[in-house]
Amino acid sequence: AQTVTQSQPEMSVQEAETVTLSCTYDTSESDYYLFWYKQPPSRQMILVIRQEAYKQQNATENRFSVNFQKAAKSFSLKISDSQLGDAAMYFCAYRIFYNTDKLIFGTGTRLQVFP
Amino acid sequence: DGGITQSPKYLFRKEGQNVTLSCEQNLNHDAMYWYRQDPGQGLRLIYYSQIVNDFQKGDIAEGYSVSREKKESFPLTVTSAQKNPTAFYLCASSIQDRGNQPQHFGDGTRLSIL
Repeated sequence: AQTVTQSQPEMSVQEAETVTLSCTYDTSESDYYLFWYKQPPSRQMILVIRQEAYKQQNATENRFSVNFQKAAKSFSLKISDSQLGDAAMYFCAYRIFYNTDKLIFGTGTRLQVFP
Repeated sequence: DGGITQSPKYLFRKEGQNVTLSCEQNLNHDAMYWYRQDPGQGLRLIYYSQIVNDFQKGDIAEGYSVSREKKESFPLTVTSAQKNPTAFYLCASSIQDRGNQPQHFGDGTRLSIL
């Protein structure tokens, strides 16, 4: 079964510090795509970063970067120089598109940022 | 501005009633999706459509129905057969590709039972 696991229900970080959110997934596919989405209190889902499984280089988007370990099926998100506006639910998602087309989401990690 | 519009923002359903959630996009995306979000859980796929006049069941399609008569529109009907409809519903769309394009989401509709 294809599953996504986020083992940290809640995390907290001081403003300007760095925090890492964990995500592991289970799949038998060799080609797939991974995403991190942010859901602030407004409930809108906002794309943070994406990673193609065939690329060994870790994706980076400004203060956000990932540590993609394909063999370990791990896809963690690092937020550097945390800001108050980073406070939100963060969801890791895995997209499958052979014979179907869907995102499989983890249960989310609530990130609190303290001044 | 291009985007996805969901309406209404809040919706209340009476017992035995069908209700329809609207989703419209002007991004010229081929694929559209409906997800359900319950407290403490991630999103789960209800239905998706990759092309006009065609749609596929997702993981939790029972009690729901959809149509895709126009590229821009993908309404979701929550039927009386859905016994636990209270949830937050999110519509998404994406370019139809090999999977590396992200899904873009609307602002959601919160459905509650009266």
